[in-house]
Amino acid sequence: NAGVTQTPKFRVLKTGQSMTLLCAQDMNHEYMYWYRQDPGMGLRLIHYSVGEGTTAKGEVPDGYNVSRLKKQNFLLGLESAAPSQTSVYFCAICPVAGYTDTQYFGPGTRLTVL
Amino acid sequence: GQNIDQPTEMTATEGAIVQINCTYQTSGFNGLFWYQQHAGEAPTFLSYNVLDGLEEKGRFSSFLSRSKGYSYLLLKELQMKDSASYLCAVRPISGYALNFGKGTSLLVTP
Repeated sequence: NAGVTQTPKFRVLKTGQSMTLLCAQDMNHEYMYWYRQDPGMGLRLIHYSVGEGTTAKGEVPDGYNVSRLKKQNFLLGLESAAPSQTSVYFCAICPVAGYTDTQYFGPGTRLTVL
Repeated sequence: GQNIDQPTEMTATEGAIVQINCTYQTSGFNGLFWYQQHAGEAPTFLSYNVLDGLEEKGRFSSFLSRSKGYSYLLLKELQMKDSASYLCAVRPISGYALNFGKGTSLLVTP
C-alpha cells in the first residue's frame, strides 16, 4: 500500500465516545486524504491536506476533525461518535495533485459505532 | 461538480472479455482513473487517462472520450482473481482530490 499505514485496523465504539484514527506515510508525499466507504455509496472525501499544517473540508466533513502537524501523519478525529459514522475509513496519499499523479490508499480502518 | 455513473454489478466467464463503462458529467476535467478493489481490501490503482484514446497495460485497457464524458475499462482473458469492484474516478480541474463513482462489482465465474 505504497508505505501508508492506518491505526487501528478495527474499532468498536459506543455512541458519544471519541477516538482518533492515525494515517502515517513514509513516502514524503505532500497530499493526504481521508475517505469513508459505505455500501452503495462509494468513496466519499471527508477532509484532505495539501501539506504540513494545512487541512481542508471535503464532501462529508461534519462530525469529523483533522490535523496534520507533521508531514508524515494525518489524524482523523471523531469527537462524539454516532451510528451514522459506522464505516470503513481509508487514508490516501499523493505526491502532488497534477493530473498524472494518482492516489495510493492505506489498508483501511473498520469502525462500528453502537 | 461531477456526476459519475457505473453499472452496479456485472458477471463474466473466466477467459472472456468484459467492458466496464463509466460516464461522467463535469464542469472541468483533469484526468480519469480506474481502481480495483477486492473485498475487504484497499483500492489499488489500475490506470489513468487524460487524453482521448486507449491506454493498454497488459490484460487491462482503459479508453477515454472527453467530448462524450465516457470511459471504459476493458479486461481481457478474465481470471477468477479479477472478481472485484472496479472504481471509476475523476479529478476535477480545480480540485485536489478524486471524485469516485460507486463502483462496479464484477463476478468472474468458471
